[in-house]
Amino acid sequence: AQTVTQSQPEMSVQEAETVTLSCTYDTSESDYYLFWYKQPPSRQMILVIRQEAYKQQNATENRFSVNFQKAAKSFSLKISDSQLGDAAMYFCAYRSLFTGNQFYFGTGTSLTVIP
Amino acid sequence: SQTIHQWPATLVQPVGSPLSLECTVEGTSNPNLYWYRQAAGRGLQLLFYSVGIGQISSEVPQNLSASRPQDRQFILSSKKLLLSDSGFYLCAWSESAYEQYFGPGTRLTVT
Repeated sequence: AQTVTQSQPEMSVQEAETVTLSCTYDTSESDYYLFWYKQPPSRQMILVIRQEAYKQQNATENRFSVNFQKAAKSFSLKISDSQLGDAAMYFCAYRSLFTGNQFYFGTGTSLTVIP
Repeated sequence: SQTIHQWPATLVQPVGSPLSLECTVEGTSNPNLYWYRQAAGRGLQLLFYSVGIGQISSEVPQNLSASRPQDRQFILSSKKLLLSDSGFYLCAWSESAYEQYFGPGTRLTVT
């Protein structure tokens, strides 16, 4: 089974600054999807961004962008101009395109935004 | 547009009592459906997933079970709850090759 590792249990960032959350994964597959999810205190899981492995271009959604390094099996999330509302738990997730029914989640990174 | 509902939102049950959590999805057909459990401050543990009516895959042996009586309905059950069943339960759905969408969750406390 694929594994997803988030090595930073907690991170903090000053408001308006930039922060990068790390994620690595282990797979022998060539095609897959990667995701970042946000879970605020309400505990509602919200999709932040998606990256298809066959795309070389890094995905971007407003202040959120990823650095996808396929050979290194690394998928980091960069949050620019951090806002208080960005404070949440962030989960990295992997989905195979071959055994596509299962998603594999990392253990999460708790992000604190300091005003 | 698609929506996913879970109920109840909060539940307090005594040890040994039965459990039934329900999840329904609107606006899509034949979705993949998932049940996850999340302990406080922890990651997601996949409990069950289903690719169609009556098709359930179990990831963790336990005293929980799941059923999918209709295409867009997914039920999590237990005959006798344990203290260790306390947690936050999330239902999710996905289409064939895209991301998962999560319901609002059910907070279960077993006393």
